[in-house]
Amino acid sequence: NAGVTQTPKFQVLKTGQSMTLQCAQDMNHEYMSWYRQDPGMGLRLIHYSVGAGITDQGEVPNGYNVSRSTTEDFPLRLLSAAPSQTSVYFCASRGQPNTGELFFGEGSRLTVL
Amino acid sequence: KNEVEQSPQNLTAQEGEFITINCSYSVGISALHWLQQHPGGGIVSLFMLSSGKKKHGRLIATINIQEKHSSLHITASHPRDSAVYICAVDRGGSRLTFGEGTQLTVNP
Repeated sequence: NAGVTQTPKFQVLKTGQSMTLQCAQDMNHEYMSWYRQDPGMGLRLIHYSVGAGITDQGEVPNGYNVSRSTTEDFPLRLLSAAPSQTSVYFCASRGQPNTGELFFGEGSRLTVL
Repeated sequence: KNEVEQSPQNLTAQEGEFITINCSYSVGISALHWLQQHPGGGIVSLFMLSSGKKKHGRLIATINIQEKHSSLHITASHPRDSAVYICAVDRGGSRLTFGEGTQLTVNP
C-alpha cells in the first residue's frame, strides 16, 4: 500500500512557466485535496474533490487548476507560475469528505523565480 | 484572530518530561485532528476525535466541545518526539482549518 504519492518532491520554475503537481492514492478514497504551507501560516486549502468528476475551490484557489478524472488521481496545475506561489504543497486524502483519518503525501517544494 | 489557535508556538523540553500542547477554536466543528510533521516535512495523522479522550502509546488527546478546546499530551517525552504538531478542525462542507503548529524540541 503506497498511500498518497506526490511528485515531484522539488521543482524550480521561472515566472510564467506552467507545471503540474501529481497526486495519486491507492486507498479508494473519495476525498482528495491540495494545500499549501507557508511560513507562519497554517496549511491552506487550494482545491478539493469529493469524488471523480467533482471539484471545488478552497480558500486560495487563484492561479491553480485541478481535475479529477479518476478516483486515484488529483493533479494540481499551475498555468502561469508567479513568485507568490513559492510554497510547499501537500496533497491529502480521506475515505469520506467529513470523516476518517487524513493521509498526506510527502510534500512538494516549489520555488518560482 | 485565527479560527484555530495553538499554544505554545514553540516548546523545548528535556527528555522524560510531560508535554502539553493546546488548541482552541472559535467555530463549530464536527471533529478535530492532531497531526505530526517531522523535520523531513511529511505529515501524519495522530488522532481524530469528536468527544472525550483518545490514547495511543505515549500520546493522549482530549477535547472539550463546550469549551472549544483540545489538548495533546506526550508522556515520557523522547528526542524522537521532536516535530511540529498541528491541530486541524473539521468544519463540515469538506473543509479543514489548520492551526499554525507547535514546534516541539525534546533534548536528551
